[in-house]
Amino acid sequence: GAGVSQSPSNKVTEKGKDVELRCDPISGHTALYWYRQSLGQGLEFLIYFQGNSAPDKSGLPSDRFSAERTGGSVSTLTIQRTQQEDSAVYLCASSFLAGGGQQYFGPGTRLTVT
Amino acid sequence: QQQVKQSPQSLIVQKGGISIINCAYENTAFDYFPWYQQFPGKGPALLIAIRPDVSEKKEGRFTISFNKSAKQFSLHIMDSQPGDSATYFCAASRSARQLTFGSGTQLTVLP
Repeated sequence: GAGVSQSPSNKVTEKGKDVELRCDPISGHTALYWYRQSLGQGLEFLIYFQGNSAPDKSGLPSDRFSAERTGGSVSTLTIQRTQQEDSAVYLCASSFLAGGGQQYFGPGTRLTVT
Repeated sequence: QQQVKQSPQSLIVQKGGISIINCAYENTAFDYFPWYQQFPGKGPALLIAIRPDVSEKKEGRFTISFNKSAKQFSLHIMDSQPGDSATYFCAASRSARQLTFGSGTQLTVLP
C-alpha cells in the first residue's frame, strides 16, 4: 500500500479483555513506532522497532503492554487486561531508518474500553 | 525532563493572516524539530522540520524559526487559509528517533 495502515480502525472492548492492534508500515521502511494519543496525555511515545528488535521500550506504560514485529514488517501491539485508562487512539508510524527523519503516520486505531 | 511546551492551546486567525505557534524544549540533546498537522480522524502528517544548525527554514507558506540559545522554535503560517484549520503539534527528538510532542494547538482560520 501507499501509506501506513492500521487495523482495526475502531475497537470497543470490555475492561479486563486483551486486545491486539495491528500496523502495516510502508514497504521498505525499517523503523516502526507506536504512539498513543489521548485527551489527557496528548501524543506519547510507546515503543520503536528497528527491524525486528525494539531498542527502546521506555514509553510502554505498564507490563500489560507489549509489542512485536515479525519479518521486519507488520507489528502488533497487545494490551492485556485492558483498563478504562487505556482508551485512546493508538498511532503507528514508520520511517526508512531509525534516525532517518520523516515519520509517516497511519490513521490510528481508536480503542474504547468500557 | 524530556518535555516540549507548546502555546497557544487554540488560535483563531482571519483568512490571509499570519498564524504563529510557539514551542520550547528542555533537553539540549534534541537535534530534530518537526511540526505535524493533524486533521480530525487522521494521523499526524509532517509539515516541515528543522535541525539546530540553521535558524530558519521556509517551505511555501510555512516557516520554522529556531532559537538554539533560548531553546525555542516556532511555526509561522503566512496567508492562512480556511483549509489550514487543523491541530498542529511541534515535536523534538534526538537523532530523529522517538518524537516528544507538544500538547497541540487547534488552529481555526475564519473565511
